Amino acid sequence: QSVLTQPPSVSAAPGQKVTISCSGSSSNIGNNYVSWYQQLPGTAPKLLIYDNNKRPSGIPDRFSGSKSGTSATLGITELQTGDEADYYCGTWDSSPYVFGTGTKVTVL
Amino acid sequence: EVQLVQSGAEVRKPGESLKISCKGSGYSFTSFWIAWVRQMPGKGLEYMGIIYPGNSDTRYSPSFQGQVTISVDKSISTAYLQWSSLKASDTAMYYCARHVTSSTWFDPWGQGTLVTVSS
Repeated sequence: QSVLTQPPSVSAAPGQKVTISCSGSSSNIGNNYVSWYQQLPGTAPKLLIYDNNKRPSGIPDRFSGSKSGTSATLGITELQTGDEADYYCGTWDSSPYVFGTGTKVTVL
Repeated sequence: EVQLVQSGAEVRKPGESLKISCKGSGYSFTSFWIAWVRQMPGKGLEYMGIIYPGNSDTRYSPSFQGQVTISVDKSISTAYLQWSSLKASDTAMYYCARHVTSSTWFDPWGQGTLVTVSS
């Protein structure tokens, strides 16, 4: 059972914005950077955001990340149909790495 | 291009053994950790453990300690995940992913290996 809690689903129309929360504790998010992963249907996860708010090369600036205390947030602006996917937060919790429960983004 | 390529899908019966692989290329294989992640059908990501090919330092998530074995053959830039006695509940997609020491992220990921355990 994951120690990082995300909403099961979020949705919005094309062109709109969505935010996904990731709630943890002082042993994980509170003391570590957070990363975010995008998993398109039938594919492997891909790194989307690292160190709370940095984007790897090739990730558009429509994707953004932030962290405050023991929670983190992923934002997606100008939503596109190609953004329909599952999104997971992740960080270390003492020794084991922990992933969030996952959020399905639906473009209406 | 940094790449992790995993072995193909496997079908086994309960009680059988299995070893799946993850081959790295395009970077210094011995300088980065390799993690294994499980995704059961329709479920989320679960961290299983991690190995450093440079010295074979291996660390397991408590949930998977004793259930699987992670190993590496650095001469062929390949990491492995193995089971000695599979259970139906081991049916899942398994991903390997590269990890930079002291970072909190995994990148890139392998394409995944589907393991099906059924009698």
